Amino acid sequence: GEDVEQSLFLSVREGDSSVINCTYTDSSSTYLYWYKQEPGAGLQLLTYIFSNMDMKQDQRLTVLLNKKDKHLSLRIADTQTGDSAIYFCAESPFGYKYIFGTGTRLKVLA
Amino acid sequence: EAGVAQSPRYKIIEKRQSVAFWCNPISGHATLYWYQQILGQGPKLLIQFQNNGVVDDSQLPKDRFSAERLKGVDSTLKIQPAKLEDSAVYLCASSLRLAGASYEQYFGPGTRLTVT
Repeated sequence: GEDVEQSLFLSVREGDSSVINCTYTDSSSTYLYWYKQEPGAGLQLLTYIFSNMDMKQDQRLTVLLNKKDKHLSLRIADTQTGDSAIYFCAESPFGYKYIFGTGTRLKVLA
Repeated sequence: EAGVAQSPRYKIIEKRQSVAFWCNPISGHATLYWYQQILGQGPKLLIQFQNNGVVDDSQLPKDRFSAERLKGVDSTLKIQPAKLEDSAVYLCASSLRLAGASYEQYFGPGTRLTVT
């Protein structure tokens, strides 16, 4: 079945690292994405990883992919108050249809 | 580059009334998506267009929801009649192509629907 799971909440102190986890079910997913949603706004793509990669780094963001366990994580280094938002992972079987997770609400404490 | 436009931003209706949402995708984007995002959940795909043809509408409640993209550009999503459980944010997104590569989906700000 199609089910992408995330923990609901994460709270970190400003300057610490945040790690948001996601598990997915479809082994045919060729792309996995991380989106950010701020209050009252649409979703903004942060980064994505192709399924033949283990890791991708983009400035403060590091994505780790464990295909065997179908586990995806997003690490945000030096987390800032502006990073407070809801983060969604999404899997994409065959590269076109997105299946979103439930979202993780990140709260950054000053 | 202009983003995905949606209107209205907010709508409050009573149950059994009808409502329509409008989306104008980014110019040149062939693929258009409508998602329903219920509070506390991730977006759920309702329908996907490639130009003016429907690619996937497997999760669209067709007894009350309809959508069209007649000229392959802007699109409307209609609910008739609305139910309380339709209260959600309706997101429109567009992308350059359908499949074969990672084509980013660009999202509009959404329409927040409240059914009372």
